[in-house]
Amino acid sequence: DSGVTQTPKHLITATGQRVTLRCSPRSGDLSVYWYQQSLDQGLQFLIQYYNGEERAKGNILERFSAQQFPDLHSELNLSSLELGDSALYFCASSPLNTEAFFGQGTRLTVV
Amino acid sequence: AQTVTQSQPEMSVQEAETVTLSCTYDTSESDYYLFWYKQPPSRQMILVIRQEAYKQQNATENRFSVNFQKAAKSFSLKISDSQLGDAAMYFCAYRSGVTGNQFYFGTGTSLTVIP
Repeated sequence: DSGVTQTPKHLITATGQRVTLRCSPRSGDLSVYWYQQSLDQGLQFLIQYYNGEERAKGNILERFSAQQFPDLHSELNLSSLELGDSALYFCASSPLNTEAFFGQGTRLTVV
Repeated sequence: AQTVTQSQPEMSVQEAETVTLSCTYDTSESDYYLFWYKQPPSRQMILVIRQEAYKQQNATENRFSVNFQKAAKSFSLKISDSQLGDAAMYFCAYRSGVTGNQFYFGTGTSLTVIP
């Protein structure tokens, strides 16, 4: 158990809909990262938050947004969903200058 | 931006044998961290080993060791006495020690262990 909790584990929704993925980082970790992994693909970095502020942004679509709350949990919002958004979405947290600890991921299926 | 390259999309090894997975990276920084992550079929991301750039000694974790060549910007993973449970996708990753921002991942190497 990495200590990073992601909910829900699985999500099936229709095209055009909006979903929210939630992540609770390890206790004390200020950094939260979101990654997208499509089937048989590598990890695509979406966005990083540090102590509530956006720190780095990757190839995140305009239809996607995220935030980190004062209690350090984070949410990734995906809207106007398309079939191609079907993927495994990982959240990871990290203390400064060490490894990232990954949650088990949310498997999103858009039908 | 930093880049991480894994040039071996797929590798295979006989059970109990040794295999080496390659990784190179590009950076102008001197302070950074390198990692190998394992992703089994369950798709959970599991840290295998970590190397701090300022340490000259290669990291070792049981059957897993790295060959860290800082000047060559190379960071290979050696798996000794391969086991069936080692079958997975392996990702090499870089993290700046200066900015501490995002992790840069390679595209992964799929390792098959042959009984």
